[in-house]
Amino acid sequence: GQQLNQSPQSMFIQEGEDVSMNCTSSSIFNTWLWYKQDPGEGPVLLIALYKAGELTSNGRLTAQFGITRKDSFLNISASIPSDVGIYFCAGITQGGSEKLVFGKGTKLTVNP
Amino acid sequence: SQTIHQWPATLVQPVGSPLSLECTVEGTSNPNLYWYRQAAGRGLQLLFYSVGIGQISSEVPQNLSASRPQDRQFILSSKKLLLSDSGFYLCAWRQGGGYTFGSGTRLTVV
Repeated sequence: GQQLNQSPQSMFIQEGEDVSMNCTSSSIFNTWLWYKQDPGEGPVLLIALYKAGELTSNGRLTAQFGITRKDSFLNISASIPSDVGIYFCAGITQGGSEKLVFGKGTKLTVNP
Repeated sequence: SQTIHQWPATLVQPVGSPLSLECTVEGTSNPNLYWYRQAAGRGLQLLFYSVGIGQISSEVPQNLSASRPQDRQFILSSKKLLLSDSGFYLCAWRQGGGYTFGSGTRLTVV
């Protein structure tokens, strides 16, 4: 089946530092989504990307949809303690029945 | 407004007991609905999806089943729970440009 390779698996950073994580796939996706999940809660959508090459920002977050439609990255600038959580990339498959496929997540720890 | 409800929030069930988790959405009609499972706080695995009443597609063979008796209701069930069924179960629906998730059910099988 379709898989997303997300890296890194975990990150430990100091408050104020910038963060970068990415996802790659052997399959093409129509849409890339980035979610954040806090402990015990459902994932919350951060950014949605719909076009190859698209670069979108949401506050301190910036994400890009790769030109090949097989990859995406998420950057967080000037991290703060509340950025702690697990970040997931997800891709919406094309053709047939639409499905949302997730990466395995990047666990972010921010030290004050 | 459009919302998604999922309950219960937590559940502890003995091995061999039945299971029924419910998910409902409000403010929309004929949504695509999904059940995901998340083990050990990492990675979401798609279990079932439904594009309409009575239409269920299963992604992985398992001890669970799903049903969609009404347009905005999606139910995850099991006749006999296994220890390996423990996890965090999330319902989701296709909304606008992305997917919106419920708050999840933490299932512990003991």
